[in-house]
Amino acid sequence: DGGITQSPKYLFRKEGQNVTLSCEQNLNHDAMYWYRQDPGQGLRLIYYSQIVNDFQKGDIAEGYSVSREKKESFPLTVTSAQKNPTAFYLCASLPVGLTTGELFFGEGSRLTVL
Amino acid sequence: GNSVTQMEGPVTLSEEAFLTINCTYTATGYPSLFWYVQYPGEGLQLLLKATKADDKGSNKGFEATYRKETTSFHLEKGSVQVSDSAVYFCALSRYRGSTLGRLYFGRGTQLTVWP
Repeated sequence: DGGITQSPKYLFRKEGQNVTLSCEQNLNHDAMYWYRQDPGQGLRLIYYSQIVNDFQKGDIAEGYSVSREKKESFPLTVTSAQKNPTAFYLCASLPVGLTTGELFFGEGSRLTVL
Repeated sequence: GNSVTQMEGPVTLSEEAFLTINCTYTATGYPSLFWYVQYPGEGLQLLLKATKADDKGSNKGFEATYRKETTSFHLEKGSVQVSDSAVYFCALSRYRGSTLGRLYFGRGTQLTVWP
């Protein structure tokens, strides 16, 4: 079945550690996105990538980094510079030629900093 | 700029009650509008969408009409069920036909339906 797979679903880390969240899609979508969700704040865009080897900052990129070496993969690293990393992280993708702009989402990864 | 304002929750209803969740937007041009639903511990699923003024999106008994004159896209359902308990997000996209495709989200409305 086609879809977006995020892993791990739950992740705990100590302060000062970097952690990488995986996002893989087999939908052949060109564009991929990372959103952060906090209670009562909706979703905020961290980074997005329209093509391989290219990505742009979203609204809250500080303390995060990404790479896009393959079309299928868009991993997100939460660095120690991110001051408040505990959140629910959602990866999404957009197919080529879609005219309405809807995104397809993974199941999310919940990061807790101890 | 582009933004979405939706009714703050939580909303608590009895089964078979009528549901309205208000959503208004600010955007230049002609955005596409969406309602997404998020069940506990899961990602977002598209519930319905509308791409031009006066379009009505519908799915699973939910409806929303794209009202350009009032810049609104209110979500309604005539008779809610316990299984509708979830968080609902209103969103807009300014980039039809483009892979830029970012969505602007409202803050979400928690709906709880009691039997």
